[in-house]
Amino acid sequence: GAVVSQHPSWVICKSGTSVKIECRSLDFQATTMFWYRQFPKQSLMLMATSNEGSKATYEQGVEKDKFLINHASLTLSTLTVTSAHPEDSSFYICSARDRTGSQETQYFGPGTRLLVL
Amino acid sequence: SQKIEQNSEALNIQEGKTATLTCNYTNYSPAYLQWYRQDPGRGPVFLLLIRENEKEKRKERLKVTFDTTLKQSLFHITASQPADSATYLCALDLFDRSWGKLQFGAGTQVVVTP
Repeated sequence: GAVVSQHPSWVICKSGTSVKIECRSLDFQATTMFWYRQFPKQSLMLMATSNEGSKATYEQGVEKDKFLINHASLTLSTLTVTSAHPEDSSFYICSARDRTGSQETQYFGPGTRLLVL
Repeated sequence: SQKIEQNSEALNIQEGKTATLTCNYTNYSPAYLQWYRQDPGRGPVFLLLIRENEKEKRKERLKVTFDTTLKQSLFHITASQPADSATYLCALDLFDRSWGKLQFGAGTQVVVTP
């Protein structure tokens, strides 16, 4: 089946630093990728939609200058948390939609746990 | 906006029994609804998708129903096994100009004991 990877799987950083998270579709091309955030005991919340070759679209309440998204190729999207603060500590999950597959089907990555000290 | 409700209490069930989970939504009926499994510290894994014109969908020991009148989906795990222990999420597509923007319920944890 389709595989989506994320790197790193976990990261610890100091407050004020920037952290980059990669999301890759390993065996398919994804024109659209999605970034979610999940706090403990809560549901996944959609942060933004990443479109290959164009600007990402952000959900209401998500700061686009803080969460920079780049979708430079059909298999890679990156999320950069800039000037991270402890409240940004969360589980970040990406998903990707196969451009040749069903419009409803998307595949999720294993997630990246971010801890900001 | 859509509000999605899933039982917040964990469902404890004995091996071999059927686990039934509910997913209720409040506003418009989505074109389709999905169920995912999430293990601790992992991303969701897709299980089943059911469309608005489908009443029931099955996959091995899993069964999903979709009642657009009640605005409810039921998810059944028959002949449950300890390996089925996980959190199960339902998700609706927001269809904001394009497909794929999912809104998730908070999930229901299932614990299957031998």
